[in-house]
Amino acid sequence: AQTVTQSQPEMSVQEAETVTLSCTYDTSESDYYLFWYKQPPSRQMILVIRQEAYKQQNATENRFSVNFQKAAKSFSLKISDSQLGDAAMYFCAYRRQGAQKLVFGQGTRLTINP
Amino acid sequence: NAGVMQNPRHLVRRRGQEARLRCSPMKGHSHVYWYRQLPEEGLKFMVYLQKENIIDESGMPKERFSAEFPKEGPSILRIQQVVRGDSAAYFCASSPLAGEGSETQYFGPGTRLLVL
Repeated sequence: AQTVTQSQPEMSVQEAETVTLSCTYDTSESDYYLFWYKQPPSRQMILVIRQEAYKQQNATENRFSVNFQKAAKSFSLKISDSQLGDAAMYFCAYRRQGAQKLVFGQGTRLTINP
Repeated sequence: NAGVMQNPRHLVRRRGQEARLRCSPMKGHSHVYWYRQLPEEGLKFMVYLQKENIIDESGMPKERFSAEFPKEGPSILRIQQVVRGDSAAYFCASSPLAGEGSETQYFGPGTRLLVL
């Protein structure tokens, strides 16, 4: 069974600085998708960024980028120029090609210090 | 373009009562997923439905829980004879049938169920 591990229960960063959240996963599949979702205090789940495993280029969305290392099964999220509104729980998720369910990690709580 | 809608947002039930959670997918989306989030945990898959069909219910408890997605109307997650351990946030997500974005699930705001 696929598993997703987020080894950092909590992280903090100074406003305007850069922070990296780590995620590793375990799978024997070669085709899959990876996602980062953000869950602010409102508890809404918001898609931050997604990566297709067949793409070597790392996905980027404005201040958010990923470092996808397929061989190492690692999928970290980098947030540049951190803003107070970035404070939230961040969940890494995996979905196998052809399957429908998402497998989530345990989450990392990110605090932004003003 | 309205997102995924869930109601109610908060639901309080006493032990033994029934809970009905509703989900309306995004316009044009024909796939619906239900997830459960216990306090301080990640989301856990429960069930995946298409119109009038349950495709994968591997994450659903065998008893007391059921889900449907009728031809007309929202998807319903039903919990009979609720117990305190059912207290959680229940999230619905939807995705389109095919094409760009079909691999991504878009989430609703969740229903917080509290069982007294």
